[in-house]
Amino acid sequence: DAKTTQPNSMESNEEEPVHLPCNHSTISGTDYIHWYRQLPSQGPEYVIHGLTSNVNNRMASLAIAEDRKSSTLILHRATLRDAAVYYCILREWGGTSYGKLTFGQGTILTVHP
Amino acid sequence: GAVVSQHPSRVICKSGTSVKIECRSLDFQATTMFWYRQFPKQSLMLMATSNEGSKATYEQGVEKDKFLINHASLTLSTLTVTSAHPEDSSFYICSARDRYGGAFGNQPQHFGDGTRLSIL
Repeated sequence: DAKTTQPNSMESNEEEPVHLPCNHSTISGTDYIHWYRQLPSQGPEYVIHGLTSNVNNRMASLAIAEDRKSSTLILHRATLRDAAVYYCILREWGGTSYGKLTFGQGTILTVHP
Repeated sequence: GAVVSQHPSRVICKSGTSVKIECRSLDFQATTMFWYRQFPKQSLMLMATSNEGSKATYEQGVEKDKFLINHASLTLSTLTVTSAHPEDSSFYICSARDRYGGAFGNQPQHFGDGTRLSIL
């Protein structure tokens, strides 16, 4: 499985934007970039995913580098409810993996009031 | 949005007991479900991939006789921890892939809220 590298932790203030980086230098052409987050004592929650173009949804934006070797999850205005562990994961387009997700250590986001 | 229901949310039982955890996709059909385990302060670790109507595929190091997985329908997969011992205490999480969601990579994976298993 292609791997990703994320900072162990990041901090932000409430109502400020947050940029969470992810490096994936060994990404293959058919790997999608997925982001999930996990609040304490809960299962992971889907945030966003993309292949080549930047993506926006109601939760966040995903900026993908032109060479696809890195990406950034953008939370436009952090709230206390955004405090969580954020996982950047490469997911195969198809194949025998059935789309399984391999979780790394993620980034612990702390949001200060 | 797609919902995955996991039950029970918490189990406390004695050593030697077998425990069954259910994972249901409520508003979509799931040909594939995944089971993860998470120890405190650690990331999720994939245990097995479960495909409807066929045997589960276990990750290396996961005992298939210890963790029995059944995926008999398109909306239900179960994980049974047989003869559980204190070292099996963990947070177990299931997830499911929508049968009609398109290419594996181009669809979200939907997760349950997890089951906290405590073996005394």
